[in-house]
Amino acid sequence: EPEVTQTPSHQVTQMGQEVILRCVPISNHLYFYWYRQILGQKVEFLVSFYNNEISEKSEIFDDQFSVERPDGSNFTLKIRSTKLEDSAMYFCASGLAGANEQFFGPGTRLTVL
Amino acid sequence: GIQVEQSPPDLILQEGANSTLRCNFSDSVNNLQWFHQNPWGQLINLFYIPSGTKQNGRLSATTVATERYSLLYISSSQTTDSGVYFCAVRTHNNAGNMLTFGGGTRLMVKP
Repeated sequence: EPEVTQTPSHQVTQMGQEVILRCVPISNHLYFYWYRQILGQKVEFLVSFYNNEISEKSEIFDDQFSVERPDGSNFTLKIRSTKLEDSAMYFCASGLAGANEQFFGPGTRLTVL
Repeated sequence: GIQVEQSPPDLILQEGANSTLRCNFSDSVNNLQWFHQNPWGQLINLFYIPSGTKQNGRLSATTVATERYSLLYISSSQTTDSGVYFCAVRTHNNAGNMLTFGGGTRLMVKP
């Protein structure tokens, strides 16, 4: 069964460093998403991406964040200058169509020291 | 934005017991999903159920969209069912397709 994959599973970085989180969505899906979950809290939407552009973003997704689909398979989330409060689990998701089921990857746990 | 409330927030069961988890939402939706977050933090898709009833083994879910709630039933619970259960919804008015998550129900099943 096809699944969303994410790398790395855990990333530790120093405050102020840039990180890139990588995702490989399900191959025939057209809609891509990033969500995050701070430890002990609910999952929050960051950004949705369709047709090579951002279709929606939350207040969390400020200028420090960017997304890219550099080729036909990868979908990345970049944080330019990490802060302590960026420490969270980051989930990538993909879907075939807008209102259809979103399939989530296993997550990348980001720890900012 | 849409409000998603889950109850109960915490639940402790003895192995073999049945339970019902509830998700209330404040607006009409065209996507509702239930997830299980395991102890490693992974979100496991359980059901895509914007309306109607579905069953998968010991789990079943019902969404009554007109009354704005969904229920997740767990029968004959096992210790491996422990974790946090989230519902997430997408409203009709949402052009970007974002899912809004509830606060979760933390389930502990004791042997």
